[in-house]
Amino acid sequence: EIVLTQSPGTLSLSPGERATLSCRATQSVSSTYLAWYQQKPGQAPRLLIYDASSRATGIPDRFSGSGSGTDFTLTISRLEPEDFAVYYCQQYTSSLEVVTFGPGTKVDV
Amino acid sequence: QVQVVESGGGVVQPGTSLRLSCAASGFTFRSYGFYWVRQAPGKGLEWVTVIWNDGIRKYYVDSVKGRFTVSRDISKNTIYLQMNSLRVEDTAVYFCARAGPRNALDIWGQGTMVSVSS
Repeated sequence: EIVLTQSPGTLSLSPGERATLSCRATQSVSSTYLAWYQQKPGQAPRLLIYDASSRATGIPDRFSGSGSGTDFTLTISRLEPEDFAVYYCQQYTSSLEVVTFGPGTKVDV
Repeated sequence: QVQVVESGGGVVQPGTSLRLSCAASGFTFRSYGFYWVRQAPGKGLEWVTVIWNDGIRKYYVDSVKGRFTVSRDISKNTIYLQMNSLRVEDTAVYFCARAGPRNALDIWGQGTMVSVSS
């Protein structure tokens, strides 16, 4: 079973700063099946990145994803006020028999 | 408008059953797979189940195997989650989501709350 770990648990930053969020897997993960989501309080999650580095429709280019193997990163180049939220990484097998979310990183002011 | 809308949540006692619905609109329903994901109060996201676009392949997280069943009705563009033998630990907001690019969850509903309590 692949376990995802996200770090840090909380990232305290200010608008305009750069945010770097880490997602680490206990085993190698296919980049094709690594995604990132943003969730704000009281809202459903929103897909940001799939394929480890492809931005979903309508996602601003300040969001970028990278990585391979067991280490993946979500970068927000310049934080906007609306970016303060919780971010989850997710991995899944090609068959979807196993789908796993990381515990999340909270980005706050 | 592309959307999915969940319904059917409520407050139930342990050991009872509940059926959630997820109504899809604005896209070709039969072409997509769907997920159910839950979030316990104050906790992170947990995958519950997925149904492929063929309606045949279905997978579940271990904690719900044998208790929950996912299904679909193409004529109604609706996904269902039949939840039996509910436990206190099943208490959560249940989200329905479409399997989009590379089967990432690209369209989410607003969620429906299930509370299991005696």
